[in-house]
Amino acid sequence: KNQVEQSPQSLIILEGKNCTLQCNYTVSPFSNLRWYKQDTGRGPVSLTIMTFSENTKSNGRYTATLDADTKQSSLHITASQLSDSASYICVVGDSSYKLIFGSGTRLLVRP
Amino acid sequence: DADVTQTPRNRITKTGKRIMLECSQTKGHDRMYWYRQDPGLGLRLIYYSFDVKDINKGEISDGYSVSRQAQAKFSLSLESAIPNQTALYFCATSDPGQGDTEAFFGQGTRLTVV
Repeated sequence: KNQVEQSPQSLIILEGKNCTLQCNYTVSPFSNLRWYKQDTGRGPVSLTIMTFSENTKSNGRYTATLDADTKQSSLHITASQLSDSASYICVVGDSSYKLIFGSGTRLLVRP
Repeated sequence: DADVTQTPRNRITKTGKRIMLECSQTKGHDRMYWYRQDPGLGLRLIYYSFDVKDINKGEISDGYSVSRQAQAKFSLSLESAIPNQTALYFCATSDPGQGDTEAFFGQGTRLTVV
């Protein structure tokens, strides 16, 4: 069964600290993997996309990694800001472009 | 203006009532989706449409129906609402023509069935 699992479920960090969110998937065949940010009460917005051949990709303070062999991805947030408080959702696309969503990691950044 | 617009944003309805959630998009995408989100769970696919003449059930379609009135419009109906359909509903679009799978979401409709 195609699944996407994320950890931790929730995370609290102090402003300025770094954190790493994890995503494991069993989707096959794999097309790509996206990380989305969902602010409270709003729809998810894409942060970055990873394809099979990519290992690391950065978008400002966000860096995503992908290990296609172990079927793992991570999202690293550097020098966190209060505005980073949100849910982060890992989404994997299969070859038919069906999207499989993880349940998300809820991040709270405290002053 | 938002690329994907959902109406209403919030709705409280009674058990047994029929309700329609509407979605319109200006992105020109052929593919449209309806998802629901419950606390602690990922977004779950209710229905999706790859073009105006194509409607497909998702993983949790029971109790729901959809209508694709035009490329830009995709409506979700609850024929007889029940309390466990209380959730946050999202409409989304995508255009895999570039080999990409980015989904563009609306702002969501918070539905409460009492």
